[in-house]
Amino acid sequence: DQQVKQNSPSLSVQEGRISILNCDYTNSMFDYFLWYKKYPAEGPTFLISISSIKDKNEDGRFTVFLNKSAKHLSLHIVPSQPGDSAVYFCAASAYDYKLSFGAGTTVTVRA
Amino acid sequence: DADVTQTPRNRITKTGKRIMLECSQTKGHDRMYWYRQDPGLGLRLIYYSFDVKDINKGEISDGYSVSRQAQAKFSLSLESAIPNQTALYFCATSDPSAGGNQPQHFGDGTRLSIL
Repeated sequence: DQQVKQNSPSLSVQEGRISILNCDYTNSMFDYFLWYKKYPAEGPTFLISISSIKDKNEDGRFTVFLNKSAKHLSLHIVPSQPGDSAVYFCAASAYDYKLSFGAGTTVTVRA
Repeated sequence: DADVTQTPRNRITKTGKRIMLECSQTKGHDRMYWYRQDPGLGLRLIYYSFDVKDINKGEISDGYSVSRQAQAKFSLSLESAIPNQTALYFCATSDPSAGGNQPQHFGDGTRLSIL
């Protein structure tokens, strides 16, 4: 049973607007959450992370929000750019450092 | 040069054949991982190794074996390949020396097709 779920397989957004990607998890032991970005024919690339002791982490255009009570995190990309078109994976780990991944969300940024 | 290198990048083979996928890294990380990616399922952990003498099964280890030949090398073997092992395989590394949880760094993957 998947412990990390990304319920939106795809997202289309206009260039310059905000992209919001969502992720839900079921394992209350998860204490570290990450977002990865993947282009075709390449491996996933680490984008941003957040520890469970925080509720927000920001890095340039990317912000991750964590709602522990709802077991939900989201990634905001502002403003969206054509180069942001990719598959985005949400991942989580507990004390054992093993990552559990969501199924991914394909983001398409329209010009 | 890539920090995490996987070979081959693509492989087509037949059912029953033995296959080895290789991973080498220049990052100096102790921890290495093997994942497979299937459409609609994201990445799933096959095996992981926290140092040269440490090998652990992941979520889906049946039908696979691994070898950690050195800190920099971690190989994945399919002893007798079957069609449902057709997938995209990724190797990853992480560095425990920075303390706590750290992101994993991935190679560019091996696309494996078993006919």
